[in-house]
Amino acid sequence: DQQVKQNSPSLSVQEGRISILNCDYTNSMFDYFLWYKKYPAEGPTFLISISSIKDKNEDGRFTVFLNKSAKHLSLHIVPSQPGDSAVYFCADKGNTNAGKSTFGDGTTLTVKP
Amino acid sequence: DAGVTQSPTHLIKTRGQHVTLRCSPISGHKSVSWYQQVLGQGPQFIFQYYEKEERGRGNFPDRFSARQFPNYSSELNVNALLLGDSALYLCASSLGPGTDSYEQYFGPGTRLTVT
Repeated sequence: DQQVKQNSPSLSVQEGRISILNCDYTNSMFDYFLWYKKYPAEGPTFLISISSIKDKNEDGRFTVFLNKSAKHLSLHIVPSQPGDSAVYFCADKGNTNAGKSTFGDGTTLTVKP
Repeated sequence: DAGVTQSPTHLIKTRGQHVTLRCSPISGHKSVSWYQQVLGQGPQFIFQYYEKEERGRGNFPDRFSARQFPNYSSELNVNALLLGDSALYLCASSLGPGTDSYEQYFGPGTRLTVT
């Protein structure tokens, strides 16, 4: 069984600074992870992903790092913007392609102007 | 292109009743998954359907059932509702197994309140 844990329920940062959101997992057999962002009254939207063949993936202001030995991944947002304020979930891709993902409980990011 | 749509948006039911939630995936997506999200927690996997067949089931009781139709839309049914079934029910579509695409596209959810 896989567990995905986001140990920080909330994070508050100043606009323009870096936001770092963390995620730990338990089962090293899982080799692909995704970050989703969720605004109130909307479903989660895909943000960025990483495969275990890489230790870093970058997309604009968003970078995800994967430390396989520590079973840890992190999402960096630089620079943070007020519109980034949302709940961020990390998830694995599931046993097969998509659809059976295990999600963390989320981190609520607040970016202050 | 239309995204994933879910209906209804909100629903209030009484304990013991039955509920049916509906989902239409993104055009071209053949896989639909259902998740339950309780306040303060992440989405929990309930079912995955691909090409009208159940491909996976999470740790939910038999009161929960689902099906997928030939047009790939899906229904989630919950019988004998309990107060603990109150949650946001999310539907997600994806291309499905056999592709290199792992991201899921979520609908806005159905907020179910059981009183």
